[in-house]
Amino acid sequence: GENVEQHPSTLSVQEGDSAVIKCTYSDSASNYFPWYKQELGKRPQLIIDIRSNVGEKKDQRIAVTLNKTAKHFSLHITETQPEDSAVYFCAASYGKNFGNEKLTFGTGTRLTIIP
Amino acid sequence: DAGVIQSPRHEVTEMGQEVTLRCKPISGHNSLFWYRQTMMRGLELLIYFNNNVPIDDSGMPEDRFSAKMPNASFSTLKIQPSEPRDSAVYFCASSPYGGAVGSGDTQYFGPGTRLTVL
Repeated sequence: GENVEQHPSTLSVQEGDSAVIKCTYSDSASNYFPWYKQELGKRPQLIIDIRSNVGEKKDQRIAVTLNKTAKHFSLHITETQPEDSAVYFCAASYGKNFGNEKLTFGTGTRLTIIP
Repeated sequence: DAGVIQSPRHEVTEMGQEVTLRCKPISGHNSLFWYRQTMMRGLELLIYFNNNVPIDDSGMPEDRFSAKMPNASFSTLKIQPSEPRDSAVYFCASSPYGGAVGSGDTQYFGPGTRLTVL
């Protein structure tokens, strides 16, 4: 099955600086890579996703890049703000059958923005 | 849209008791996922359904866990008998996709049920 590794496990950056979180996956058949943000005591919420036919996607201060050859993808947050403090999870899809994709999640990165 | 609804939000029970967690997916979504989240093990997929049919239950820890989806708008996750190590936050998520292999789609999470087994 799919295995997703995520680094770093914790990350502290000064407000206004950039943050980068990296993930690698094992199954070359995976082709959908979402990122979820989870604030303390809340549910995971999708912030951005990318599919294998695209190398990069941006949404305001957030961007994701994908390197299918190397099987890794990264989340980039620019101009970080205190509200960016949360746990971020990457995931990769692994569907065996006709059905919907079974997401395999990374172990999470706790991002802390220092005012 | 009300989003994914889970009940109860908090459950405290004693070891050996039966626990039933409930989930109502977003209307029109045809895939439903049950996850468990703990500090030690992170976010684990327990089981998922497509069009009410269980597709993959390889994440279900053991026979004490069972899940059903009798119709498109309701699913349950049951633990019987419960044990202290089952204490966790259980999330239900739903997704609108259910087509050909090779695509994926967004999963929308419910607020979770925090289960404490004493």
